Amino acid sequence: GESVGLHLPTLSVQEGDNSIINCAYSNSASDYFIWYKQESGKGPQFIIDIRSNMDKRQGQRVTVLLNKTVKHLSLQIAATQPGDSAVYFCAEKEDSSYKLIFGSGTRLLVRP
Amino acid sequence: ETGVTQSPTHLIKTRGQQVTLRCSSQSGHNTVSWYQQALGQGPQFIFQYYREEENGRGNFPPRFSGLQFPNYSSELNVNALELDDSALYLCASSSGGNSGNTIYFGEGSWLTVV
Repeated sequence: GESVGLHLPTLSVQEGDNSIINCAYSNSASDYFIWYKQESGKGPQFIIDIRSNMDKRQGQRVTVLLNKTVKHLSLQIAATQPGDSAVYFCAEKEDSSYKLIFGSGTRLLVRP
Repeated sequence: ETGVTQSPTHLIKTRGQQVTLRCSSQSGHNTVSWYQQALGQGPQFIFQYYREEENGRGNFPPRFSGLQFPNYSSELNVNALELDDSALYLCASSSGGNSGNTIYFGEGSWLTVV
């Protein structure tokens, strides 16, 4: 089924530390996964994506890891900054489908 | 800056009224999807338009309808507004229909139904 979160889990980290945000996705047939960052009052901002034939992909300060065996996705943010404070959503999609299915979201708070 | 623009940014409507929300997709993107995001939740898929045709729909009633124009811009129309329609409405654009191309979102239109 589709994942909907009413109460966002919160991750609090010290500025400069690394952050790891986890996501359990629902569909073993999903081919494509995306992490989005959403700041208060704004739309989701693309961070990084990964296809199901990969298990790791790196961007600038961010790394996404995919474990298809346990249907788990993680986003690692290196040297977390105050500007990283936001809600982070993972999303999944099958190539044959037209829609993204979003996870429940995690709120990241960065302590100065 | 995603290049996906939406209007209006905020609006207030009365229950029973109708609303039209607009979206201009990123240059070169021929696929537009609409999502509804209630407060504290993840976005929920409403429908997708590709080459001016609706080619996928989520679990939303027929009073949610849309259009896509030859320039790939799109409208979302909601009739007979209900209080529960209050949400952030997001437009997303991509290229190539269902293929795994990057999907970019606009900043959304905040709709409040009173």
